[in-house]
Amino acid sequence: TQLLEQSPQFLSIQEGENLTVYCNSSSVFSSLQWYRQEPGEGPVLLVTVVTGGEVKKLKRLTFQFGDARKDSSLHITAAQPGDTGLYLCAGYMDSNYQLIWGAGTKLIIKP
Amino acid sequence: ETGVTQTPRHLVMGMTNKKSLKCEQHLGHNAMYWYKQSAKKPLELMFVYSLEERVENNSVPSRFSPECPNSSHLFLHLHTLQPEDSALYLCASSFMDRAGNTIYFGEGSWLTVV
Repeated sequence: TQLLEQSPQFLSIQEGENLTVYCNSSSVFSSLQWYRQEPGEGPVLLVTVVTGGEVKKLKRLTFQFGDARKDSSLHITAAQPGDTGLYLCAGYMDSNYQLIWGAGTKLIIKP
Repeated sequence: ETGVTQTPRHLVMGMTNKKSLKCEQHLGHNAMYWYKQSAKKPLELMFVYSLEERVENNSVPSRFSPECPNSSHLFLHLHTLQPEDSALYLCASSFMDRAGNTIYFGEGSWLTVV
């Protein structure tokens, strides 16, 4: 059983559509991070959320941390082909310096 | 110049070969990591070096041997690997002083064991 479950595992949609991907756990995290990994590259950090209920926006991307700090979501508005990639969530648990990783959501945006 | 560089980008090796992956970070970080990335699985932390201390994942087979000669360089020595070891191996670095630090990844080394 994974500590961080990401859903869906795979999503393919048309350019211009909206989408939401999820990162869920039964455990509490002190912070959660979202990374995007493009083909042939390493993951790159998009955002870190640290406060329960926190909402952060990065252009067309909206990240939310659950009130209980057990889950997070990433919403993309008007998806573009450049949003294609593997979206990974990762979290730090209290008093632990090691990141816990989800398996990722593979997102394909078709022109 | 990228912050974390890995070489080689692609490696094909036989099960009896000995090879090494190299990683260099130019970010002044004090911690370096090796991760294994397989399809549809979470990133697997293999090894962490923080200053002079190595934190090792107990499930890593001995055919993987890390080396950290200084805070900027990290190696992963490979010996008698198995086909199931084929994966993307990612090096990363960060500051190791508190949880929540950003980890910076290299582009990865694609390893195929034949």
